[in-house]
Amino acid sequence: DIVMTQSPDSLAVSLGERATITCKSSRSVLDSSNSKNYLAWYQQKPGQPPKLLFYWASTRESGVPDRFSGSGSGTDFTLTISSLQAEDVAVYYCHQYYNTPRTFGQGTKVEIK
Amino acid sequence: EVQLVESGGGLVQPGGSLRLSCAASGFIFNKYWMTWVRQAPGKGLEWVANTKEDESEKYYVDSVKGRFTISRDNARNLLYLQMNSLRAEDTAVYYCATGVYYFDHWGQGTLVTVSS
Repeated sequence: DIVMTQSPDSLAVSLGERATITCKSSRSVLDSSNSKNYLAWYQQKPGQPPKLLFYWASTRESGVPDRFSGSGSGTDFTLTISSLQAEDVAVYYCHQYYNTPRTFGQGTKVEIK
Repeated sequence: EVQLVESGGGLVQPGGSLRLSCAASGFIFNKYWMTWVRQAPGKGLEWVANTKEDESEKYYVDSVKGRFTISRDNARNLLYLQMNSLRAEDTAVYYCATGVYYFDHWGQGTLVTVSS
């Protein structure tokens, strides 16, 4: 199984400041045949289901604010919130769909400092 | 608008069974892989199983193989998860979701509690 490791487990950021979450996979999730990274990011707010933010590592889902960005390739990925807003308080998960079983990172809790 | 509504959760004793349902609407159900993901209380997300549009392919996480069965009724736009031999560690909110790769639509989830 591919193990997904996020860091940090939690972070507190001031409103308007940058928040950065990293995700490392135990094996590459890049398919060299199509140059796609089989990685997604989700946001989960308390009491709600996860919401898809990015797929193919950096393709923003419709409706996701552009202060969110996804980057990385191979085994190392980053989710960045360029200017944290109050509504961004949530737990964020990375997810690999390169192979089965699909696996998720343990989650990163983002709070306001 | 895509809607996924799970039902069938509840309290069950260890060793018992439950069948979860997911009613889908707002999209062409028989054109999509469907997935179950669970989340234990206060914990992270765990992929459980998925099924191809025509059920010709089904996959499971090792911890549920032989105990859980994913199925679907494309005529009624329903996804199922039959859960047998339930264990305390199966306690979780179970979500259905669309997609075989990333999951772009999720239901609100149904809580399964395995306890005596």
